[in-house]
Amino acid sequence: QVQLVQSGGGVVQPGGSLKLSCAASGFTFRSYGMHWVRQAPGKGLAWVAMTRSDGSNEYYADSVKGRFTISRDNSKNTLYLQMNSLRVEDTAIYYCAKGIGNYGPFNIWGQGTMVTVSS
Amino acid sequence: DIVLTQSPDSLAVSLGERATINCKSSQSVLYSSNNNNYLAWYQQKPGQPPKLLIYWASTRESGVPDRFSGSGSGTDFTLTISSLQAEDVAVYYCQQYYSSYTFGQGTTLEIK
Repeated sequence: QVQLVQSGGGVVQPGGSLKLSCAASGFTFRSYGMHWVRQAPGKGLAWVAMTRSDGSNEYYADSVKGRFTISRDNSKNTLYLQMNSLRVEDTAIYYCAKGIGNYGPFNIWGQGTMVTVSS
Repeated sequence: DIVLTQSPDSLAVSLGERATINCKSSQSVLYSSNNNNYLAWYQQKPGQPPKLLIYWASTRESGVPDRFSGSGSGTDFTLTISSLQAEDVAVYYCQQYYSSYTFGQGTTLEIK
């Protein structure tokens, strides 16, 4: 069964850090680009970051560049998002997603995990 | 950055009737070398992650009912649901993957 199972998330103070994980199963994880997408409460979808299948390149939305780091461990079939210097506006549900190929749209999504940045 | 603008923001359609959602891009997402439009459509139901419906503007994802279809090219695209079913109530998003990734603001589809 093809699936992405997320963990991590929670409540953190502004300026704090948090690390999200996304465990993949049912497909050849090392063959696909992987992404993080977020959705602020009651709002639309916003792409956050992606990593190529081999982890050789990462790309970020301007809003998180320099604060967030996407990474993957192909030996563990796991995707990560390290979030530092968190801001109130980073509050959102965070989804991991599998791309079609390296740069295609997202055909498998995790269940989502809530990150709340609040003092 | 490429901006996607969906219209309308919300619509109400009777069961069995046609629903049409539009997506306009601030620049072309047609890649001339392969003649593919880098445009996808997603459906999101409350409390669930998005689900890919259509990619390359008109290719239906496996398992998606054939009442869902996508059309358009360049900067103007349409998602059509030919005969609305109760389970189609959701928010629909277009997405471009031509240059980085951006989503439209979403269209809420309800039953009239």
